[in-house]
Amino acid sequence: DAGVIQSPRHEVTEMGQEVTLRCKPISGHDYLFWYRQTMMRGLELLIYFNNNVPIDDSGMPEDRFSAKMPNASFSTLKIQPSEPRDSAVYFCASSPWTFRGETEAFFGQGTRLTVV
Amino acid sequence: AQSVTQPDIHITVSEGASLELRCNYSYGATPYLFWYVQSPGQGLQLLLKYFSGDTLVQGIKGFEAEFKRSQSSFNLRKPSVHWSDAAEYFCAVGTYRDDKIIFGKGTRLHILP
Repeated sequence: DAGVIQSPRHEVTEMGQEVTLRCKPISGHDYLFWYRQTMMRGLELLIYFNNNVPIDDSGMPEDRFSAKMPNASFSTLKIQPSEPRDSAVYFCASSPWTFRGETEAFFGQGTRLTVV
Repeated sequence: AQSVTQPDIHITVSEGASLELRCNYSYGATPYLFWYVQSPGQGLQLLLKYFSGDTLVQGIKGFEAEFKRSQSSFNLRKPSVHWSDAAEYFCAVGTYRDDKIIFGKGTRLHILP
């Protein structure tokens, strides 16, 4: 398996523009996580899905952020409109379901977003 | 809700010296615990994990960690560090109640030649 694939690896956009980050999880994994990494706040969980259904989006910072998982092999994180403070590295991770909940997250390479 | 504290933002050790990175968690029941490593510009790689059983866990690259319930700690150790160990290390906690994994803010390890 190629692992978790994120695109693009780097994104530079102007303030006010819409940004869409993409993620392809590992095939067969039931969970998908979106994290944001900044120097100040470290690695924050934004939202996670189980079987394509959002389970907990309490980490999504504002209504400008939205995430979807239309099928088991694809998820998007959208920011509209983007602001400079959204600049960060966004990671997608996936994990398999196990009976006792012993999940382990496998991470993509991340998307470095810069909003100017 | 669960939380993780890594009290050291930066740690500097000499090559060949021993290493211990601290991690404390907060959770009302038995957690499952992870250590991940992040090299510059890379994603996170799992070093080791604890779910149950033996409280001393062996991982990749010569790392080990010990779960101490009484201290709510899961410290990472390595007897002799190599220059290639310079990276950022994250402790994380998950729970049986839900499957989200929460990370600490990380400890950046610097190695002196």
